[in-house]
Amino acid sequence: GEDVEQSLFLSVREGDSSVINCTYTDSSSTYLYWYKQEPGAGLQLLTYIFSNMDMKQDQRLTVLLNKKDKHLSLRIADTQTGDSAIYFCAESIAGSQGNLIFGKGTKLSVKP
Amino acid sequence: KAGVTQTPRYLIKTRGQQVTLSCSPISGHRSVSWYQQTPGQGLQFLFEYFSETQRNKGNFPGRFSGRQFSNSRSEMNVSTLELGDSALYLCASSPQNTGELFFGEGSRLTVL
Repeated sequence: GEDVEQSLFLSVREGDSSVINCTYTDSSSTYLYWYKQEPGAGLQLLTYIFSNMDMKQDQRLTVLLNKKDKHLSLRIADTQTGDSAIYFCAESIAGSQGNLIFGKGTKLSVKP
Repeated sequence: KAGVTQTPRYLIKTRGQQVTLSCSPISGHRSVSWYQQTPGQGLQFLFEYFSETQRNKGNFPGRFSGRQFSNSRSEMNVSTLELGDSALYLCASSPQNTGELFFGEGSRLTVL
């Protein structure tokens, strides 16, 4: 079945770039997503990319999609302590807008 | 524009009881999805509704049910609660065919 894999932890220094990686299995996914979750909160949609794109940039965020390798990455430039959170990668199920398969999440720790 | 609103935010129940959770989507959004988040299983899809019709259902027992009303508000119900139902229940809404999926803050259910 469909599966999304991502590393569990990432630690960076404030001001550095962070790169969070994700692999997925469903080649028919229409959209791929990055969400951020802070302690005790819901999921905040950071950005998403349509499957026929290979890159999307939004301020400090850059998403790269390698459809051949089914690899998605999120780069956060100039990482700040406020970026410390859990980041989830997700893929949509073909034909369903609201049914996403999520990874387990990458906990990003930003050290001052 | 107000975000996705979920009530109640926190609740405590005992085994065997039933619970109803409510979700008000962003104004104009007609699609509502529900997810369960636990430390062990991560984020798992429960169901998706559009225009009062269930479009998709995840792999959960029949104790989990939901519905959507004509104003797009949705409720989910869990009957005969078990300890393992303790989780954060997240609701998400989306406008049609844009790929955007916005989550609420969740309802944290504790079953004793």
